Amino acid sequence: GAVVSQHPSRVICKSGTSVKIECRSLDFQATTMFWYRQFPKQSLMLMATSNEGSKATYEQGVEKDKFLINHASLTLSTLTVASAHPEDSSFYICSARAPGDWVTEAFFGQGTRLTVV
Amino acid sequence: AQSVTQLDSQVPVFEEAPVGLRCNYSSSVSVYLFWYVQYPNQGLQLLLKYLSGSTLVKGINGFEAEFNKSQTSFHLRKPSVHISDTAEYFCAVTPFQGAQKLVFGQGTRLTINP
Repeated sequence: GAVVSQHPSRVICKSGTSVKIECRSLDFQATTMFWYRQFPKQSLMLMATSNEGSKATYEQGVEKDKFLINHASLTLSTLTVASAHPEDSSFYICSARAPGDWVTEAFFGQGTRLTVV
Repeated sequence: AQSVTQLDSQVPVFEEAPVGLRCNYSSSVSVYLFWYVQYPNQGLQLLLKYLSGSTLVKGINGFEAEFNKSQTSFHLRKPSVHISDTAEYFCAVTPFQGAQKLVFGQGTRLTINP
């Protein structure tokens, strides 16, 4: 199957700093990528849909200025957590669909565990 | 809008025993259905999916699921589990039309005991 690589897998940062998480589709072009957040022992909550070459679509309640998404190419989307605070600590997961194949599976990255201290 | 309910938050099972994980969904439109597995600190891996056709779907690692439209259910089962099946399992749906967003259930933690 297709591979989605997410980097870094773990990051610890100080409160007030910004953190960038990368999501790459390694062997296919992804016009659309999705960013999820997962709290401990809970389900995945969709944060935003990232579209190549255009602005991301954020879900209700997600702060656009806090979670900055850039989908600059067909293989890369980035999520930047701006001025991170301890409450932003979470597991962040991206996923992507291959174009023309949307009805089948979404391929997920391995996730990034963010800890803000 | 869609919603997914996984009725069991935790399921402990002995090794080689059968297991069933329940999933019910609600949607005003037709949906595709999925089961994903998540191992600790990892992303999600597709177990199986129902798009159309036979309501009994077979997936990887010996899992299968049955779609029941009248009961709006998509229960997952495996006849004999292994220690390596210990993981979190998520049921998800996406509508036929419109945004390609997956809506996930709360997850079921499957723990296999020796």
